Amino acid sequence: GENVEQHPSTLSVQEGDSAVIKCTYSDSASNYFPWYKQELGKGPQLIIDIRSNVGEKKDQRIAVTLNKTAKHFSLHITETQPEDSAVYFCAVPPSGTYKYIFGTGTRLKVLA
Amino acid sequence: DTGVSQDPRHKITKRGQNVTFRCDPISEHNRLYWYRQTLGQGPEFLTYFQNEAQLEKSRLLSDRFSAERPKGSFSTLEIQRTEQGDSAMYLCASTLTATNEKLFFGSGTQLSVL
Repeated sequence: GENVEQHPSTLSVQEGDSAVIKCTYSDSASNYFPWYKQELGKGPQLIIDIRSNVGEKKDQRIAVTLNKTAKHFSLHITETQPEDSAVYFCAVPPSGTYKYIFGTGTRLKVLA
Repeated sequence: DTGVSQDPRHKITKRGQNVTFRCDPISEHNRLYWYRQTLGQGPEFLTYFQNEAQLEKSRLLSDRFSAERPKGSFSTLEIQRTEQGDSAMYLCASTLTATNEKLFFGSGTQLSVL
């Protein structure tokens, strides 16, 4: 089945710096790649996603890049703010299924 | 509030008891998912419905777990004869088939089995 790995597991950055989280997957036929943010006591919330026909997508301070050949995609957060502190998950739906396999998460701490 | 709603938010039960959770998806969403999340882990897929039909169930899911979505709207997840290992956050998510991919999650039900 699909294998999804996420790194790093924890990440601390100074406010204003950038943060990058990487996700690797195994199913080369997967074609949709979302990132979710989970705050304490809440369910995950979709923050950005990308389809396999593009290499990069931006939404203000957040961007996702995709390397289909290497089977990995990354979340980039620029000009980090304290409210960016949360756990971030990547997810991949294996081809031929509508379920999503989530990564193990990255705890991001933005230090003021 | 038009988001995904889950009830209860917290449930404490004794080992061996049965528990039932409810999920109300976003009204026009026809696909509904149940996930389980333990501390420090990502959500783990349990099952999903397309309207009232249960289309996929995790092979790891014990037969003590059952889910229903009788009218294609709300869903219930029942755990029979609970065990301490069932302690987790149970998350419900829904999506509109036309857009297919974007999952919207509820805030979850935190289950503690004593």
